[in-house]
Amino acid sequence: GENVEQHPSTLSVQEGDSAVIKCTYSDSASNYFPWYKQELGKRPQLIIDIRSNVGEKKDQRIAVTLNKTAKHFSLHITETQPEDSAVYFCAASRPGTASKLTFGTGTRLQVTL
Amino acid sequence: KAGVTQTPRYLIKTRGQQVTLSCSPISGHRSVSWYQQTPGQGLQFLFEYFSETQRNKGNFPGRFSGRQFSNSRSEMNVSTLELGDSALYLCASSGSPGQGDGYTFGSGTRLTVV
Repeated sequence: GENVEQHPSTLSVQEGDSAVIKCTYSDSASNYFPWYKQELGKRPQLIIDIRSNVGEKKDQRIAVTLNKTAKHFSLHITETQPEDSAVYFCAASRPGTASKLTFGTGTRLQVTL
Repeated sequence: KAGVTQTPRYLIKTRGQQVTLSCSPISGHRSVSWYQQTPGQGLQFLFEYFSETQRNKGNFPGRFSGRQFSNSRSEMNVSTLELGDSALYLCASSGSPGQGDGYTFGSGTRLTVV
């Protein structure tokens, strides 16, 4: 089955700096790659997603890039703010099964003042 | 528009007991998926239901089961509870199972097995 590896497990950046989280997937048939943000005690929330027919997608300060050949995708957060502090999860799924997600192990991002 | 509603929010059960958790999807959503979240294993897929049919199942023992009703509400059941079943159980709903758009999680049910 699909396996998703996520790095780093923890990341500390200063406010205003950029943060990058990387994920690698094993199943070359995977074509949907969402990113979720989970604040302490709250539910995971979708922040951005990308499909395999696109190499990059951007939404304000957040961007995701996908390299299908290398089977990895990355989340980029620019101009980080304290409210970006949370656990971020990447995930992957195969065609027609976008509701069956395989998640990475999460990255705890801390944005310090 | 109401979000995904999970009940109860917290639950404490004893080893060997069984438990039923409920998930009401966003109005109009027909696909419901269940996940188990633990500090050690992270988020793991349990199963997915669409139009009252199980479409996908994760690698969990048969003690974990689920169903979906005609109004799209879903329940999951865990029988013969073990200490390792302590976790946050999350459900998520979407309009259709293959698209991923509008995939929204509920706040979860935190199950503690003692």
